[in-house]
Amino acid sequence: ELKVEQNPLFLSMQEGKNYTIYCNYSTTSDRLYWYRQDPGKSLESLFVLLSNGAVKQEGRLMASLDTKARLSTLHITAAVHDLSATYFCAVDPTGTASKLTFGTGTRLQVTL
Amino acid sequence: DTAVSQTPKYLVTQMGNDKSIKCEQNLGHDTMYWYKQDSKKFLKIMFSYNNKELIINETVPNRFSPKSPDKAHLNLHINSLELGDSAVYFCASSRITGAGNTIYFGEGSWLTVV
Repeated sequence: ELKVEQNPLFLSMQEGKNYTIYCNYSTTSDRLYWYRQDPGKSLESLFVLLSNGAVKQEGRLMASLDTKARLSTLHITAAVHDLSATYFCAVDPTGTASKLTFGTGTRLQVTL
Repeated sequence: DTAVSQTPKYLVTQMGNDKSIKCEQNLGHDTMYWYKQDSKKFLKIMFSYNNKELIINETVPNRFSPKSPDKAHLNLHINSLELGDSAVYFCASSRITGAGNTIYFGEGSWLTVV
């Protein structure tokens, strides 16, 4: 059974600091997704990583994928309060986006 | 226009009742899903439909019955509701062909069984 683990589960950081969220998964997959969820809201797609070595950046967030290590990272640069949310990675073992297995989620709290 | 819309957004009901959640997408996608998010925020796929046909059923109790009248709609009917069914249910859609298909999620339906 595919397992997707994120760490940390909870992260409190000050504005302006940098940090990385890790997503490890247990089976081969070339595709990985990152989503953001605000409290009481839906999931917003952040990144789709399609191959080994893929790196994508949007604003203060940068995601990368190492399929050999079965590891994806979400790096936060100079955090701001608006980034406070829960971040999920999700693995797509079928390669068709027909079944995502989500990680445990990382709740990020950025304090002033 | 909302891309993936679900109704109702909030639902409080008693144990043993039967309830339905409706979902519609206007993105022209051919695949729709139901995901369940529990109280610990854990998200798990329940069902996946492609062009009205069931392609994934993740060992969900048969009290849960999805119905897809057309590829733009995927409804979820739940019989004999139990306390453990309390969760947020997310509908989602995507295109199944092509690489890197983003899955778009609805706003969620908060189900509370009392």
